[in-house]
Amino acid sequence: DAGITQSPRHKVTETGTPVTLRCHQTENHRYMYWYRQDPGHGLRLIHYSYGVKDTDKGEVSDGYSVSRSKTEDFLLTLESATSSQTSVYFCAISEYFSPQPQHFGDGTRLSIL
Amino acid sequence: GQQVMQIPQYQHVQEGEDFTTYCNSSTTLSNIQWYKQRPGGHPVFLIQLVKSGEVKKQKRLTFQFGEAKKNSSLHITATQTTDVGTYFCAASTDSWGKLQFGAGTQVVVTP
Repeated sequence: DAGITQSPRHKVTETGTPVTLRCHQTENHRYMYWYRQDPGHGLRLIHYSYGVKDTDKGEVSDGYSVSRSKTEDFLLTLESATSSQTSVYFCAISEYFSPQPQHFGDGTRLSIL
Repeated sequence: GQQVMQIPQYQHVQEGEDFTTYCNSSTTLSNIQWYKQRPGGHPVFLIQLVKSGEVKKQKRLTFQFGEAKKNSSLHITATQTTDVGTYFCAASTDSWGKLQFGAGTQVVVTP
């Protein structure tokens, strides 16, 4: 498996609190992605990064921000969490942009009460 | 916008049987990828198809890209319990496009 570590693996928090999820990779891949997975929706792209400090929005970016200050780290922040953001969050990396295979981390299960 | 539809959403298969899952789009696709996610796990890349009419095989799995590049299929022969999981297709409409995932086909195998 690709060297991708997501932290935390599980988190329970309350509505209105800020939450930051971290994705760390050891593959030195340029491209990193954040997805959310919900039943019946597959995986939906939140944000992606094509280099240090270079990021762009995906299809469900509202309520989320990202930062990438180092090649190996990609952070996803929920500024003020809402119950609709309860989901499983996956980080993925690829050496090149589409159409290259993406390699996924183990995911973070986030519950917002 | 582009929508990738995957059918069926759920497939119950007897061990040893064959089954097929389909991925359809209303727009022409640049490429299509297939992933497998085991229960409680993360998606794992299986294959990528790029050419019209392309067929690729991985042991008991056969992947096909339609002639019009608007659909794809995954056929599994002689299903085994190790085939349990959810199979996703993911597609983009150009060589620089973001991937859009289908909703997945959840496969349950009974011995």
